[in-house]
Amino acid sequence: QTVVTQEPSLSVSPGGTVTLTCGLNSGSVSVFSYVSWYQQTPGQAPRPLMFNTNIRSSGAPDRFSGSILGNKAALTITGAQADDDCVYYCALDMGNGIWVFGGGTKLTVL
Amino acid sequence: DVQLVQSGGASVQPGGSLRLSCEASGFFFPEFAMNWVRQAPGKGLEWVSGITGSGGRTYYAASVKGRFTISRDNSRNILYLQMKNLRVEDRAIYYCAQEERGGNRHFESWGQGTLVTVSS
Repeated sequence: QTVVTQEPSLSVSPGGTVTLTCGLNSGSVSVFSYVSWYQQTPGQAPRPLMFNTNIRSSGAPDRFSGSILGNKAALTITGAQADDDCVYYCALDMGNGIWVFGGGTKLTVL
Repeated sequence: DVQLVQSGGASVQPGGSLRLSCEASGFFFPEFAMNWVRQAPGKGLEWVSGITGSGGRTYYAASVKGRFTISRDNSRNILYLQMKNLRVEDRAIYYCAQEERGGNRHFESWGQGTLVTVSS
């Protein structure tokens, strides 16, 4: 069974830089073409931030960037703001019509 | 603008059935795959099911396969999720999501979510 792993929680100071990662219980994320990231604030539907690993969605601030770090996909926030305090999910298209989400990272900006 | 307006959430008993709907507007519905994603209270996102634009192929998470059926009516721009033999663990907010096409596959637009409660 494919398990997508994310840090359960991270913290960053306002104006600081933080990197969230998205990995697999076995193997490298880089073999999958379609890695995307979503942001969710309480009580709201998720909204897309990044797709194809490193392409920002329309409306996503440019302080968000995506990359591959080793075997994992990464979402970096440079110059974190209070509004970034929420939960972030990555999702992988497994290539057979199946998608898998990571468990989510709760980011605290303080 | 893309809009996905959901309906159908309710409280049902274990073993019961429910059909969720997601009415789409602002884009050419038949050209886009659609998906259902759910979120149990206080938990993360879980992909549930997907369907191609034509409706010819459907996909399911192991947790719902055999109990849930995804379908679409392209003449009315509506996506459905028929849920049968509901279990307590199916309790969640269910979101429909438009899947972007071709080489940019991701969940671009989301419905507002609809709550399904399963309890006796």
